[in-house]
Amino acid sequence: DQQVKQNSPSLSVQEGRISILNCDYTNSMFDYFLWYKKYPAEGPTFLISISSIKDKNEDGRFTVFLNKSAKHLSLHIVPSQPGDSAVYFCAARIFGNEKLTFGTGTRLTIIP
Amino acid sequence: DAGVIQSPRHEVTEMGQEVTLRCKPISGHDYLFWYRQTMMRGLELLIYFNNNVPIDDSGMPEDRFSAKMPNASFSTLKIQPSEPRDSAVYFCASCPGTGMGEGAIYFGEGSWLTVV
Repeated sequence: DQQVKQNSPSLSVQEGRISILNCDYTNSMFDYFLWYKKYPAEGPTFLISISSIKDKNEDGRFTVFLNKSAKHLSLHIVPSQPGDSAVYFCAARIFGNEKLTFGTGTRLTIIP
Repeated sequence: DAGVIQSPRHEVTEMGQEVTLRCKPISGHDYLFWYRQTMMRGLELLIYFNNNVPIDDSGMPEDRFSAKMPNASFSTLKIQPSEPRDSAVYFCASCPGTGMGEGAIYFGEGSWLTVV
């Protein structure tokens, strides 16, 4: 039972344009959400997070939006750069529980 | 500041052999996680420890898998006997605990296991 879903295995975006990565979850107990970025042959690295009490969090070119009623979150990257090409994982946790439940990832390719 | 350190980075072994993966978490982190990455299932949690005590091992596939954390700076994941379907990237991660930092867990570079 995949509680965190990333339905797009891959996405290609022109350099300079906006990249939008989507994530859906089924467990209403999740209250904290994170995005990780992963380059080949490296471990995932933390990118940005959002608490369920917020609907938006911004950090430079990266913005995460949370729609609790739809159980949906998205990561926006503006403007997209070639170095953003990587696999992006969405993750979620339940308050008081440290473990993260991950989606299957979306491979983002930025086209120069 | 050193991150999570895993060894070996790459392991090729024959079916039936024992495999031991090692992890050193970030100093001061109370939680340690073992994840496995596959194409079909993405990153799945195998087991995690809090203060060296296993908290949740519900993700461990079967009895062939075992994990230990004898002290705060070392953990092992053992597969015995190994099978070709165990081929995957195994990640170790650690974090300081609830309410500290950004709430993220920090990953090592992974151990690439191939069982032939």
